[in-house]
Amino acid sequence: DVKVTQSSRYLVKRTGEKVFLECVQDMDHENMFWYRQDPGLGLRLIYFSYDVKMKEKGDIPEGYSVSREKKERFSLILESASTNQTSMYLCASSLVAVYTEAFFGQGTRLTVV
Amino acid sequence: KQEVTQIPAALSVPEGENLVLNCSFTDSAIYNLQWFRQDPGKGLTSLLLIQSSQREQTSGRLNASLDKSSGRSTLYIAASQPGDSATYLCAVRQSSNYKLTFGKGTLLTVNP
Repeated sequence: DVKVTQSSRYLVKRTGEKVFLECVQDMDHENMFWYRQDPGLGLRLIYFSYDVKMKEKGDIPEGYSVSREKKERFSLILESASTNQTSMYLCASSLVAVYTEAFFGQGTRLTVV
Repeated sequence: KQEVTQIPAALSVPEGENLVLNCSFTDSAIYNLQWFRQDPGKGLTSLLLIQSSQREQTSGRLNASLDKSSGRSTLYIAASQPGDSATYLCAVRQSSNYKLTFGKGTLLTVNP
């Protein structure tokens, strides 16, 4: 069965902390995505990775960075967390063949206080 | 820039009713369109994937159609049940890159 796993369901961090959100997929997918979801704004793409060590900025990359050292793992890094980064974060993966589905993890609800 | 719109934003129906959710997109250069379901506080579950060359896909009580030239898709749910209550999202995959662009969703409530 297809699986995308995010390391935490809920996180509470302090302003200024460096935060790591981890995502692991077991499907040998090349493409991985990080989105944030906010009421009234929907899902917005933060970063996208075509393959290992490849990344591309999405629509709202400011304040975030990513790491993809291994094919199965895609990490989202908040360099210095701020309260406006309180959100639901969703990771997804898909095969590089564009005629395939994207699969999502269960989400991480991050609160920055 | 691709924009995806879902109408209505919210829908409340009695159990047993058939219903249609709408999705429109501005750039028809897409590879595929995917419908998702999201329960409160949870991740997204894939429901149906329609390739750009296809007109429709069916899974159980769900039927999704795609009219790529007019930039529209519909999700038809037959004989709705309270368990269908959730937010339904559509997303298109661009031809120019691999990005998925989402609509803001339709919140569906099916009343017993």
